[in-house]
Order: sequence, then C-alpha cells, then structure tokens
Amino acid sequence: AQSVTQLDSQVPVFEEAPVELRCNYSSSVSVYLFWYVQYPNQGLQLLLKYLSGSTLVKGINGFEAEFNKSQTSFHLRKPSVHISDTAEYFCAVSAIFSGGYNKLIFGAGTRLAVHP
Amino acid sequence: GAGVSQSPSNKVTEKGKDVELRCDPISGHTALYWYRQSLGQGLEFLIYFQGNSAPDKSGLPSDRFSAERTGGSVSTLTIQRTQQEDSAVYLCASSPSGQDTEAFFGQGTRLTVV
Repeated sequence: AQSVTQLDSQVPVFEEAPVELRCNYSSSVSVYLFWYVQYPNQGLQLLLKYLSGSTLVKGINGFEAEFNKSQTSFHLRKPSVHISDTAEYFCAVSAIFSGGYNKLIFGAGTRLAVHP
Repeated sequence: GAGVSQSPSNKVTEKGKDVELRCDPISGHTALYWYRQSLGQGLEFLIYFQGNSAPDKSGLPSDRFSAERTGGSVSTLTIQRTQQEDSAVYLCASSPSGQDTEAFFGQGTRLTVV
C-alpha cells in the first residue's frame, strides 16, 4: 500500500539558517510527488512537484526538493529561511490504484517554526 | 469563482445533529477529494470522486459519513448524528483528471461539535 512518512513533526530553526524537511514514501508503483504548504489559517497551496526528468525540483519561495528513487525519499530544502516561512508543510504522493484512478495521499505534516 | 469554494467556513453544531458541508470545485475539474484535518493529525483521506462516481470511499470513518457529487460539480459531505470526535477542519480539493496534476484546495470548513 502507498504511504507517506514525514519524519519530523516539528522543526524549529533560526532565521537565515538552512532547513531540510524529510519525506519518505512507500509504493510498489510509480508515483508522482508533491510538497504543499499551509500558512496559518489558510488552505493548502502547492510548493513544488516531481513528475519525471531531473530529480532536483525547484518550487516557489526558494524551496527545492530532491527525488531519490533508491531511498524512496523526497526531502524539501531551503538554504536560508525567513520568518514568513513559518507554516505546516505536507508531503504527498499521487499513485494509480488498481481501479485505474489516482489518489493523493498525504503525510502527517511538519510544522516549521522560524525564530528571529 | 476561480478557486475551490467551501461552505460554510465555520459550523458549530450540537452533538447528535446532522450537518452538510458543501464544496464547489474549479469548473472542469473531474477529480474531487475530501480530507479531514484534525489538530496535529495531518490530512486524513475521506473520499474521492471521479465525475459523479466515488471509486474510493475507504476513508469514511463510519456509516454516519456520506458524500455525493452531482453534475460532475458540486459535492456535499454529510455527517449524521455528529459526535465530538467529528470536530475538525474538512478540506475539499479538486484537480483535472490525471495522476500528474496538482490538487487545488478550498479554505476548509471548521466543524465544532459541542
């Protein structure tokens, strides 16, 4: 069965420091991978996605993620965070199920708290 | 509107009452998802629609929960005989058909059962 594991529920970091939010997935079929961000009291919005091609994917707000098939990981990184990056980050997998439809499965989320 | 619209944005109901939550997806999007977000619990998948049919209802927590979609557009999530543990934010998302497509989320309905 497909599943997504976000290894850290909370990540505190100081402003201008680098950050990595970890995501591992399990799937027996090919998948597409996404990171979404949820700012306080707002809905989810897409940060970036991996479909195929280059394993390094760049998204909005200076974030990037690297797809590693052998390690089944899709970690999110930013070299220098801002206070405004404080939010909940969700990793998600889209996989085709036996019925021929695709389902988007989310991890439990990682709360990034950026401190001055 | 340009985005996914959910109503109401907030709902407070008494334990045992029925509630209906509405989702208006982006026009032309064939796929529609309902998720539940409880405090500190991440996004829990509830149900998925492709057009008007629901090939995956595996996430509905109990038979008190049901959902329908009409005209390949609006969807309603109904919770009967609400319980306090049903309190959560219910999120709807829609996407064009296809595995590689982004899901667009509404702002959610915050349900509080008192």
